Amino acid sequence: EAQVTQNPRYLITVTGKKLTVTCSQNMNHEYMSWYRQDPGLGLRQIYYSMNVEVTDKGDVPEGYKVSRKEKRNFPLILESPSPNQTSLYFCASSPTPSNSYNEQFFGPGTRLTVL
Amino acid sequence: AQSVAQPEDQVNVAEGNPLTVKCTYSVSGNPYLFWYVQYPNRGLQFLLKYITGDNLVKGSYGFEAEFNKSQTSFHLKKPSALVSDSALYFCAVRDFGFQKLVFGTGTRLLVSP
Repeated sequence: EAQVTQNPRYLITVTGKKLTVTCSQNMNHEYMSWYRQDPGLGLRQIYYSMNVEVTDKGDVPEGYKVSRKEKRNFPLILESPSPNQTSLYFCASSPTPSNSYNEQFFGPGTRLTVL
Repeated sequence: AQSVAQPEDQVNVAEGNPLTVKCTYSVSGNPYLFWYVQYPNRGLQFLLKYITGDNLVKGSYGFEAEFNKSQTSFHLKKPSALVSDSALYFCAVRDFGFQKLVFGTGTRLLVSP
């Protein structure tokens, strides 16, 4: 089944404790992206990747890191989480980014709480 | 910069009645518009998109959307609502320069039996 998977689905952590949220897609998509969803704000892009070893900042990159060493994986890293990073996180992927009308496929989400 | 607005936080409709979820957009150039739905504890699911051509776009689960260039709108519609349509709906526009979807704030649809 074609899908985007994220792990963990739920995470409660404390301020300053490094964490990684994994994202993997099995559709051989070139483009991958991370969004955060907050009430009243919709989804905002954190980082995106056009291909392996190619990443760039989105709208709200502060406090986050990403890497794209393999085509299928795009982990989101919080080096020192803070309470304002409590949110619902989504990973998404789509085929060739030059085809701007391709829809994005979303993972199930990771609900992160930072105490 | 591209943007979309969803003016209603919540839409209530009775089962069997038609529903409309509103979206207006602001873009430079031709708009690529999308609708997504989010069910509880699930990721976003693609419903439909407008790229070019016919102003009435048909999508999944009986939904359709009407593109209106003069009113810069892309409203989501369904002729007969189901209780199972209750969910959070997002309108989005493709931002070419920054390779992302720009989302609206979402509209919660509640369909009562």
